[in-house]
Amino acid sequence: DAKTTQPTSMDCAEGRAANLPCNHSTISGNEYVYWYRQIHSQGPQYIIHGLKNNETNEMASLIITEDRKSSTLILPHATLRDTAVYYCIVRIHSGGGADGLTFGKGTHLIIQP
Amino acid sequence: NAGVMQNPRHLVRRRGQEARLRCSPMKGHSHVYWYRQLPEEGLKFMVYLQKENIIDESGMPKERFSAEFPKEGPSILRIQQVVRGDSAAYFCASSREGRDSPLHFGNGTRLTVT
Repeated sequence: DAKTTQPTSMDCAEGRAANLPCNHSTISGNEYVYWYRQIHSQGPQYIIHGLKNNETNEMASLIITEDRKSSTLILPHATLRDTAVYYCIVRIHSGGGADGLTFGKGTHLIIQP
Repeated sequence: NAGVMQNPRHLVRRRGQEARLRCSPMKGHSHVYWYRQLPEEGLKFMVYLQKENIIDESGMPKERFSAEFPKEGPSILRIQQVVRGDSAAYFCASSREGRDSPLHFGNGTRLTVT
């Protein structure tokens, strides 16, 4: 799996949009970009994933650059409950089925009241 | 639709005892993954299973650890003769078959070895 680079930590004011960047310059054509978060002592929570196109769901938006070398996760209206470690992961999908995820250190996002 | 269920949530074992951790995947999910998170460290992949088959166990310690996902019933992660260094949170995840299937995680079992 391609390596990702994320800032160690970020602050964001409550109610504002939180934009979390991720670099994945060695991503290959069949690797997806996944985002998870882990709130203290809980299991990782799936947020969103994409291949080439931008994606949006009820939790967040994922913006992938045209060259696919970086992406940004956007939480449109951050709340205190969004304080967590956010992981950007690139994941290859082999032909037979789902493969595991390799977690890095992630970004510790702190939402300030 | 219930999420991934892990039990017990907390498990205390003395050194030398056995620990059994259970994971029931989400309905319709045939792939199970186990991860370990040591205190103040990141999540580390251990093993990936499909029904009755181990697909990838590259992250499993060579001794004392084993995993199974039988045709019927939950997946089991078994740790024999536990040592203090086994104290960690163990997370299970499941996914559907398919090229574009995210993993969904349970809330983990916290193992403490005394």
